[in-house]
Formats: sequence, structure tokens, C-alpha cells
Amino acid sequence: NAGVTQTPKFRVLKTGQSMTLLCAQDMNHEYMYWYRQDPGMGLRLIHYSVGEGTTAKGEVPDGYNVSRLKKQNFLLGLESAAPSQTSVYFCASSSWEGREAFFGQGTRLTVV
Amino acid sequence: AQSVSQHNHHVILSEAASLELGCNYSYGGTVNLFWYVQYPGQHLQLLLKYFSGDPLVKGIKGFEAEFIKSKFSFNLRKPSVQWSDTAEYFCAVIEDGQNFVFGPGTRLSVLP
Repeated sequence: NAGVTQTPKFRVLKTGQSMTLLCAQDMNHEYMYWYRQDPGMGLRLIHYSVGEGTTAKGEVPDGYNVSRLKKQNFLLGLESAAPSQTSVYFCASSSWEGREAFFGQGTRLTVV
Repeated sequence: AQSVSQHNHHVILSEAASLELGCNYSYGGTVNLFWYVQYPGQHLQLLLKYFSGDPLVKGIKGFEAEFIKSKFSFNLRKPSVQWSDTAEYFCAVIEDGQNFVFGPGTRLSVLP
């Protein structure tokens, strides 16, 4: 099993550009999460999903949108990138039973 | 809202020293508790977790943690650290809902 896979791994955007980060999991997990990690601030939850077709806002949702059209995929979109969105983005998934979160390898995004 | 605090931002130890990293959470109900480790340049990996039962939990690589409900704490310990334990350590809590809440992290540097 691949676990949780994120694409791309690195990206540089210009201010105002848009992009989509893809997260795919092959563990049939119900829950999926998008976090951003910034120095000294730990992981902050952007959006999450408790099942196919459902999404909800986390701690820092502004400037991001998400979609979960298929159970195995969770997309994070930046409509108009800003330098403040320069960060490392991690996707995670977990099951209702196990509750342990499995993380992807991360996407390092730089907005210039 | 649930919050997680970690006592130390950066801990520096020599090899073979004992380690204790503090973690406190704010929720008073049923919680699931986790410690994750992030080695430099890598994603988060699970060290150990507590759901119920014996409050002393043993994890991988010689780590253990003790859940003390009366103190809302879940401190991580290791009797003798190695240089390879250099990493960032995150405490996380999941309450009756679905979201993981992470602490800000503690950076551990082990000197050879």
C-alpha cells in the first residue's frame, strides 16, 4: 500500500496564481485532513472531511477551498495565492476505528 | 475549543541523557492522545497512542508516555536518548469529534 500520497512535492507560485494540491489515500479511510506547518506554529488544520461529499472548515480556512468527490481523494485549492500561504502542506487520513492519522510526505509551496 | 500545549520549544540533550517532554490538553471529556515524531525533512510518524486502559503506553524506539487524567497531561519519556532521536515531537489530541488538534511541537536536539 502506498498510504497517503501528495502531489506535487514542491511548487513555486506567483502571487495571484491558483493551484490545486492532490491528496490520495488507499486505506479506505473516512477522515481526511489538510494541515499547514509553519515554523514555531506546529500544524494548523485548514479543512477536513469526514466522508465523501462532505467538507468542513478547520482553524485557518481562509484563502483555501477543498473538495472530496471521491472517498480516496481530498483536494486543496488556492484560488489566488498570497505570500502568506508559503508553507509546507500536509495531508492526513484516519479511520473511524483506528483514529491514528497517517500523513503524506508534504508539499512545500512558495508564493513569490 | 480544544487546545494542546507543549512545555518546551527546544530541548538540547547529550546522548544517553533521559528525556521527558511535557504535553497538556484542555478538554475534560474522553480523549484519544498521540505523540508524533517528525525527523528532519520528513513527514509525521506515529510514536505511540493512548485510547484507554493502562495509562502507561509504550511506543516505538523505546519511547513511552503516561496519561494522567487528573493533570490533563500526556508526557513523553525515553530513558536514554540517541543522536538519531533528533527530531521535532508533536503531541496531539482527538476528542469526541473528528479532529486532531496538535501542539506547537518541541524540537529535540541530541548532541553526540
